[in-house]
Amino acid sequence: DADVTQTPRNRITKTGKRIMLECSQTKGHDRMYWYRQDPGLGLRLIYYSFDVKDINKGEISDGYSVSRQAQAKFSLSLESAIPNQTALYFCATSERGLTGYTFGSGTRLTVV
Amino acid sequence: QQQVKQSPQSLIVQKGGISIINCAYENTAFDYFPWYQQFPGKGPALLIAIRPDVSEKKEGRFTISFNKSAKQFSLHIMDSQPGDSATYFCAASTDSGAGSYQLTFGKGTKLSVIP
Repeated sequence: DADVTQTPRNRITKTGKRIMLECSQTKGHDRMYWYRQDPGLGLRLIYYSFDVKDINKGEISDGYSVSRQAQAKFSLSLESAIPNQTALYFCATSERGLTGYTFGSGTRLTVV
Repeated sequence: QQQVKQSPQSLIVQKGGISIINCAYENTAFDYFPWYQQFPGKGPALLIAIRPDVSEKKEGRFTISFNKSAKQFSLHIMDSQPGDSATYFCAASTDSGAGSYQLTFGKGTKLSVIP
């Protein structure tokens, strides 16, 4: 099984719908992150969490919310999806300190 | 505000050649510089990383060169192979306290190694 699992892998939704992307990890890491990837724009940080009681906004948090249900679970919600939220979304985890991230395989979201 | 600028956006290299990807940063507080490799349909994976107390780090065919005064760092892939074809991201971070940090990524370079 993957260390960082994202569900669903692909999703098509309609404008205005609420959608939740889920992430679970078996790494035992405290830190979890949600990134968005768009062609030519790289990876941009949406939200991050340093532990269950800690949630922080990233560079592009407008239109998104998150929930850290447990150390191993971090979900991203789009309250009212819009077409420009069509993108590839990645969850990542890390240990404390300056170490690498472990990324999930991503969720490709299309808002029509 | 883009804190890490990456170039080129795309790169085509012949098999056996050297691939070079460059990044420049603005925030002098950055003290960790990783490179990630991403294959289609997969998440980015850590390739190699460097701290500013050294000017070069080599792992197999992959080398990071770091120039602190110029605020630049680069990835060199020696003897490039078709299997190296992927998108490469540079990144930078600083310890924001409590032993935690967030990575700022460059926009990525799509590398194609042709036979």
